[in-house]
Amino acid sequence: SQQGEEDPQALSIQEGENATMNCSYKTSINNLQWYRQNSGRGLVHLILIRSNEREKHSGRLRVTLDTSKKSSSLLITASRAADTASYFCATAGGGNKLTFGTGTQLKVEL
Amino acid sequence: DTGVSQDPRHKITKRGQNVTFRCDPISEHNRLYWYRQTLGQGPEFLTYFQNEAQLEKSRLLSDRFSAERPKGSFSTLEIQRTEQGDSAMYLCASSPLTSGSFHEQYFGPGTRLTVT
Repeated sequence: SQQGEEDPQALSIQEGENATMNCSYKTSINNLQWYRQNSGRGLVHLILIRSNEREKHSGRLRVTLDTSKKSSSLLITASRAADTASYFCATAGGGNKLTFGTGTQLKVEL
Repeated sequence: DTGVSQDPRHKITKRGQNVTFRCDPISEHNRLYWYRQTLGQGPEFLTYFQNEAQLEKSRLLSDRFSAERPKGSFSTLEIQRTEQGDSAMYLCASSPLTSGSFHEQYFGPGTRLTVT
């Protein structure tokens, strides 16, 4: 079953704008990860934030985590057409499996 | 290329037939995972190996599904008596084993199964 929801389900922006997507989850976690999936392909890991961290940066990516609200956000700054993809959050709990959300489809237009 | 590879990339089969997929993980990774992804959804966990031991299986993995990792290297996922509801992308991932830490997983390109 899916852990939670991503919001929005779909997002369309112009190149150069920032994109923000949100993720909510249901159970306690060890860490939360964000993955990108280009159309019909495998997933690529973007960033991992541990449960005791509140914010993390990697290049144009900024992730926040609020464990009290069981939510996370991913910000992509200065978006590019190549950022067009589906973005998934995934939580890692006590086991070793990842539980994914339903994903946000991002389209960056020229 | 030393990433995760999967074979075949696409498989079309008739209902009732058996199919087998192969996954070759990154060579130094001890952990190997199988996920299933249907259209418009995120991947769902199926099963996980640490070396050759299958340590966890999802309730999604019915009796028609079996996975092996006989030598702790590549893995196979077999679906017997396929049903139309088995149509999905089957993703394999691997990760290293480090005590006290949980790593990101490295995914293969997937095998897209279509059951007609």
